[in-house]
Amino acid sequence: GQNIDQPTEMTATEGAIVQINCTYQTSGFNGLFWYQQHAGEAPTFLSYNVLDGLEEKGRFSSFLSRSKGYSYLLLKELQMKDSASYLCAVLDSNYQLIWGAGTKLIIKP
Amino acid sequence: GAVVSQHPSRVICKSGTSVKIECRSLDFQATTMFWYRQFPKQSLMLMATSNEGSKATYEQGVEKDKFLINHASLTLSTLTVTSAHPEDSSFYICSARDAGMTSGGGAGELFFGEGSRLTVL
Repeated sequence: GQNIDQPTEMTATEGAIVQINCTYQTSGFNGLFWYQQHAGEAPTFLSYNVLDGLEEKGRFSSFLSRSKGYSYLLLKELQMKDSASYLCAVLDSNYQLIWGAGTKLIIKP
Repeated sequence: GAVVSQHPSRVICKSGTSVKIECRSLDFQATTMFWYRQFPKQSLMLMATSNEGSKATYEQGVEKDKFLINHASLTLSTLTVTSAHPEDSSFYICSARDAGMTSGGGAGELFFGEGSRLTVL
C-alpha cells in the first residue's frame, strides 16, 4: 500500500530552527509537496521537489532523497505565525496526491 | 500567484437539502480540479478528480450519486452534496492545477480554494 509518515506534533522555540521529516512509500513518484495549513484554513503551497537535493526558499527549505524515500522541511528563524500543520504529499505514478496526516508545529516564545 | 476561489465559505443547511459549492480558477485554466474533505484533526481526503468536459473520477468509498461534480468549463467546477445529512458536515476544499506552469517537471503547482465549511443540522 501507499504510505506517508511524518511526526504528529513538534514543538520549537521562536527564533530557532526546526526540521520536519517525511518518509514515503508510494506507487511511483512524480514529486513531493510540502503545504502549510493554519487551523480552519485551506493548505497553502510551500515547496515542490522532484529531484534529489535541497531547495531553498527564504526561511523555508525542502530536501529530497528519492533513493531513501525521504524528505524534510526546514524552517529557520521561527516566528509565532509559523505555528501550523505542515503536510507532506507525494504525487504518485497516476499523478494522484497521497497525503501525510500532517505535523502540528507548536512555536513557543 | 494563481488564485482559486471557493464559494460559499460557510453554509448551514437542514438535513435532506442539497448544497452546491463552487470552485473557480480566477487567472488560469484548470483542466483538472480536485475535491477534498477534511474532518477535524485529520488530513485531507481526496474525494474525486474533476476533469473538464468529462465525468469525474471518484475515490473508493465516495458515493458519486451523493457528491455530484460538474466541471463545465476550464475555470469552474462545482460539488453538490445531495440530500445532506449531519454526517456530511465537514470542511470541503477544492484545488486546481495550473496546467500552464512548467515548474515541478510539468506537474505544475496545486492551488487551493479557501475551503467551505458545511454544517448540516
